[in-house]
Amino acid sequence: NAGVTQTPKFRILKIGQSMTLQCTQDMNHNYMYWYRQDPGMGLKLIYYSVGAGITDKGEVPNGYNVSRSTTEDFPLRLELAAPSQTSVYFCASRGLPEDEQYFGPGTRLTVT
Amino acid sequence: QKEVEQNSGPLSVPEGAIASLNCTYSDRGSQSFFWYRQYSGKSPELIMFIYSNGDKEDGRFTAQLNKASQYVSLLIRDSQPSDSATYLCAVKSGNQFYFGTGTSLTVIP
Repeated sequence: NAGVTQTPKFRILKIGQSMTLQCTQDMNHNYMYWYRQDPGMGLKLIYYSVGAGITDKGEVPNGYNVSRSTTEDFPLRLELAAPSQTSVYFCASRGLPEDEQYFGPGTRLTVT
Repeated sequence: QKEVEQNSGPLSVPEGAIASLNCTYSDRGSQSFFWYRQYSGKSPELIMFIYSNGDKEDGRFTAQLNKASQYVSLLIRDSQPSDSATYLCAVKSGNQFYFGTGTSLTVIP
């Protein structure tokens, strides 16, 4: 099992550009999460999904969109990149009944 | 706003000593409590979780939970240089997880 994979690993965007961060898990987990981590800070939840076709906002959803058409994939979309979105983005998945989240390796995004 | 607070440190302990990390949370409805370790440039990895009041031990790690005081702690016994990392406290409320800002631990050989 590859676990949780994320692409790309690094990306530099110009202000106003858009991009999609990809996240895939092969553990058949129902729950998937997107977090951002700013330097020296903890993780903030952006969006999460409890299953295919179901998504919900977390603490910091503004400027992002998500979709969940399959159990495996949970892409995160940035429509109009802003410098405030410079961060490291982590995707995670969780299966029932456990509470343990499995994290991907992260995507380091810089918006200039 | 559901908050999780940790002392940011840095915390330095000599090799072989006990490291004590603390965390408080604001939501009394929180159900589960977690400690993650994060090395620089890496993703968080789960060390321990605890659901009930009291202590839970796993090897050199002990998690302590006091729901009345809304307090979670992590003790690391016989600290090793490889324990040097940032430790994140996380709390589960409903389907969401809330993280503290982390405590940086350095174990000095």
